[in-house]
Amino acid sequence: GEDVEQSLFLSVREGDSSVINCTYTDSSSTYLYWYKQEPGAGLQLLTYIFSNMDMKQDQRLTVLLNKKDKHLSLRIADTQTGDSAIYFCAETAGTTDSWGKFQFGAGTQVVVTP
Amino acid sequence: DTAVSQTPKYLVTQMGNDKSIKCEQNLGHDTMYWYKQDSKKFLKIMFSYNNKELIINETVPNRFSPKSPDKAHLNLHINSLELGDSAVYFCASSQDSIRLGFTGELFFGEGSRLTVL
Repeated sequence: GEDVEQSLFLSVREGDSSVINCTYTDSSSTYLYWYKQEPGAGLQLLTYIFSNMDMKQDQRLTVLLNKKDKHLSLRIADTQTGDSAIYFCAETAGTTDSWGKFQFGAGTQVVVTP
Repeated sequence: DTAVSQTPKYLVTQMGNDKSIKCEQNLGHDTMYWYKQDSKKFLKIMFSYNNKELIINETVPNRFSPKSPDKAHLNLHINSLELGDSAVYFCASSQDSIRLGFTGELFFGEGSRLTVL
């Protein structure tokens, strides 16, 4: 089964906050990422967090990590129509043995309505 | 300049044909990848090369053969195409890692949508 799980869909009104959740199973996950994919485009890194952190804030984005529950979330404040996209959670252990082995979730489709 | 570029962007072909997708990165990265994204948007790694050496080879039919002529290029050749090969194929690259301070960011191309009829 998948090592990284996300809910598939989120609808949010413009101006509200969006929260996208992700759970992972690999306890050796050291680096966790949020990528954004707009229609017809490749994925772009939004933000990342190391496992020794609980929270990271970057402008409208807040990442929360609960390492005990293996739960990662991305909060987008003041969601805009340009935030409509698919958001992917990803993880890697980042060790030499696991080099290049990123596990992606199935993506959460976020639709922002006026 | 596009950092990771792949061609063609769209490819429509018949079952049984052989096709190639090319990828080039101008970021000076040491590691390149091929990912397959299916119709449900699930992203799965296929191959990874580090400095022209194959380091990841997931369970992929041997009809798929990657080739890396140099560390800036990673091509994907597919023989005897099947209907189930229809997907979007993404090339990506990342910096080699631990010596330089690892963030693990993957830089993706725009994808090549393959449709097998």
